Amino acid sequence: GESVGLHLPTLSVQEGDNSIINCAYSNSASDYFIWYKQESGKGPQFIIDIRSNMDKRQGQRVTVLLNKTVKHLSLQIAATQPGDSAVYFCAENRGYSTLTFGKGTMLLVSP
Amino acid sequence: GAVVSQHPSRVICKSGTSVKIECRSLDFQATTMFWYRQFPKQSLMLMATSNEGSKATYEQGVEKDKFLINHASLTLSTLTVTSAHPEDSSFYICSARWGGTDNEQFFGPGTRLTVL
Repeated sequence: GESVGLHLPTLSVQEGDNSIINCAYSNSASDYFIWYKQESGKGPQFIIDIRSNMDKRQGQRVTVLLNKTVKHLSLQIAATQPGDSAVYFCAENRGYSTLTFGKGTMLLVSP
Repeated sequence: GAVVSQHPSRVICKSGTSVKIECRSLDFQATTMFWYRQFPKQSLMLMATSNEGSKATYEQGVEKDKFLINHASLTLSTLTVTSAHPEDSSFYICSARWGGTDNEQFFGPGTRLTVL
């Protein structure tokens, strides 16, 4: 399996700031991407998704940007709240079958 | 929304014993269920994909004789860790999907396995 480090990249922000979490994906054939939020000891929670025929999609307080040229995905969270503190994973769907998860970023929001 | 449950949420067992983890889709019929393993501070790694009524498809490096998967009904899949060892201690997460491959996967809350 994929080898990953024991320390997740961490993004620390103040409450009310905007947060940007980045993800590089590996397969140029991936055509569907999802961002998940995972709180400690819980399963992943769907946040927002985007298909490869789009480059931007907005939800409530969240925006996902997709740059297929450089295989880059980002999640923007507006007006970050303490409840947003969690680990965020991007996932890519290869051929509409299985999901491959990225390494994750821990978001810490200070009040 | 679609709900997926797992049981137990936490289990501690002795080395050499077998442990069964259940994954249930509570309000939809899951034609496909997925089992993931997650070690501390790491990402989710897909172990296997199971379709109701057929044998599971295991990812490379996952021992099918050690991690037995049964998907006997459209709402239940089980993962049995046989002859568990301390290195099998991990967070096991299932997800379920109904219908075609274009549909969303819904994740369970996970099961924390600790092997002593």
